[in-house]
Amino acid sequence: DAEITQSPRHKITETGRQVTLACHQTWNHNNMFWYRQDLGHGLRLIHYSYGVQDTNKGEVSDGYSVSRSNTEDLPLTLESAASSQTSVYFCASSSPGADTQYFGPGTRLTVL
Amino acid sequence: AQSVTQLGSHVSVSEGALVLLRCNYSSSVPPYLFWYVQYPNQGLQLLLKYTSAATLVKGINGFEAEFKKSETSFHLTKPSAHMSDAAEYFCGASSGSARQLTFGSGTQLTVLP
Repeated sequence: DAEITQSPRHKITETGRQVTLACHQTWNHNNMFWYRQDLGHGLRLIHYSYGVQDTNKGEVSDGYSVSRSNTEDLPLTLESAASSQTSVYFCASSSPGADTQYFGPGTRLTVL
Repeated sequence: AQSVTQLGSHVSVSEGALVLLRCNYSSSVPPYLFWYVQYPNQGLQLLLKYTSAATLVKGINGFEAEFKKSETSFHLTKPSAHMSDAAEYFCGASSGSARQLTFGSGTQLTVLP
């Protein structure tokens, strides 16, 4: 069955380190999204992509970057991790022209 | 820009009672509207969506929501709560098909025996 996976599921890192969170989907969806979930804020959009080589900033993009070299993957990179980036990160995907996003299981990131 | 407000970060109901979770959106153009549910340590699952067709939308697990343009609301209801409904619920809006979602801050539903 097609699915969307995230790895690692849990990550502890130190302030200043570079961290990359993986997102992989097997639906062949063009659209992919990264959100962070924080108490009291719900989910907020970090970056999104509508296809290979396309990336766009979301509401809370500072300190994060993404690249899209193929349809299946949209890795999220924290260039220099900060304690404020401790959060749960969700990846989602949708097909072109479709209104429903499908979410991965999430990655819990702790920055010490 | 879209904004979504969920009234009540925590809602408790007794098993068998009506569930009502409130969601209001702010947009000059009626958006696409969604309700997602999140069980502990899991990702979000789509409950139902409104995409400018019927204003009363039925979803999975007995949930439904009604789009009311005059009230800019999209409240989620279920006639009779089950223990298995305990979860966090998120209302979301997008400006159109395939567009990014703006979420409310979530409502934690507790079902009391």
